[in-house]
Amino acid sequence: AQSVSQHNHHVILSEAASLELGCNYSYGGTVNLFWYVQYPGQHLQLLLKYFSGDPLVKGIKGFEAEFIKSKFSFNLRKPSVQWSDTAEYFCAVKASYDKVIFGPGTSLSVIP
Amino acid sequence: NAGVTQTPKFQVLKTGQSMTLQCAQDMNHNSMYWYRQDPGMGLRLIYYSASEGTTDKGEVPNGYNVSRLNKREFSLRLESAAPSQTSVYFCASRQGTDHSGNTIYFGEGSWLTVV
Repeated sequence: AQSVSQHNHHVILSEAASLELGCNYSYGGTVNLFWYVQYPGQHLQLLLKYFSGDPLVKGIKGFEAEFIKSKFSFNLRKPSVQWSDTAEYFCAVKASYDKVIFGPGTSLSVIP
Repeated sequence: NAGVTQTPKFQVLKTGQSMTLQCAQDMNHNSMYWYRQDPGMGLRLIYYSASEGTTDKGEVPNGYNVSRLNKREFSLRLESAAPSQTSVYFCASRQGTDHSGNTIYFGEGSWLTVV
């Protein structure tokens, strides 16, 4: 069965620090990968997605992610975080058929 | 654009009561989903429907039933609500299997409390 794990439950950073959030999935076949963000009081929004081609994908608001097939990973990065990046971040994988599974989420707090 | 609309937004139920969460999308998407979100557990897939007329179990289907009424609508029913079903429920949709990589669009959520 497919599953998604995220390395950190809660991350606290100062503004301008670099961010890397880990995501690993378990599934041996072709996958589509996503990162979603949920700002306080809002519903989920897509940050970026990977489905084929260049394993380094760029998303909105300066976020990027790298798909490493051999490691079953899809880590999210941002060189310099802002206070407005405070949110919960979810990694997701579409594997078999049309089933889309989300990870448990990482809560990011950015201190001004 | 309405996107994904779910109702009701808030509901309080007594243990043992039944209720149906309604969801409709106006994007002509093939696939629809029901998730629940609980603190520390992320979004867990309850049921999904890859096309009109089909439904499949997700990660946590026990205690729930679904109906894909037509291409637009996908309802979630709690037959006998339990306190463990207190959660925020999200309906979502996407284009489907013929369009790899396309985005899932979420509704605004339904807050359900079972007392």
